Amino acid sequence: GDSVTQMEGPVTLSEEAFLTINCTYTATGYPSLFWYVQYPGEGLQLLLKATKADDKGSNKGFEATYRKETTSFHLEKGSVQVSDSAVYFCALSDSSYKLIFGSGTRLLVRP
Amino acid sequence: DGGITQSPKYLFRKEGQNVTLSCEQNLNHDAMYWYRQDPGQGLRLIYYSQIVNDFQKGDIAEGYSVSREKKESFPLTVTSAQKNPTAFYLCASSRSPAGGAGEQFFGPGTRLTVL
Repeated sequence: GDSVTQMEGPVTLSEEAFLTINCTYTATGYPSLFWYVQYPGEGLQLLLKATKADDKGSNKGFEATYRKETTSFHLEKGSVQVSDSAVYFCALSDSSYKLIFGSGTRLLVRP
Repeated sequence: DGGITQSPKYLFRKEGQNVTLSCEQNLNHDAMYWYRQDPGQGLRLIYYSQIVNDFQKGDIAEGYSVSREKKESFPLTVTSAQKNPTAFYLCASSRSPAGGAGEQFFGPGTRLTVL
């Protein structure tokens, strides 16, 4: 079945460092891909999405490019802030209503 | 403001008791979902509903039940048959099938603790 694999955390960075969180997927069709963010004690918020190969999703300085050839959707940000500390989830959707989530990657940004 | 509300935020239950978690949305979305999140893990789908009066089991439906009598509401009952119910429960909704690039919108969650 379809699945999503994320790098294990926590990822600990200093403020203004460059961030990459790796995400790869397995899917039989042509899924849409998402990054969600979860702040402590809260629900998930959509960060960005891409619906077809080579699409780049971006929001709040975060970017991810849908790479069909490598089945990847890595999340990047050029300069992280303390307020970016959260758990980040990569997810895919197939032709059904369901989202399939990765296990999440916790990001800790130190001042 | 449109959104999804879940209540209560924290819930405590004694073993052997059923408990119902509320989820309401005013986004006019057709589809609604319930997920369970355990510490350090991703989200696992419990039940989902694509339309009023219809719902399907997700990956971990055992010990849970739902109803969808109104478009706005999708309550989840955690029954005494659920062996390990302590977790964070998240409700979500979407306008269109997720495969049509329809994102899911999440509520703030309910943390259930069994005493």
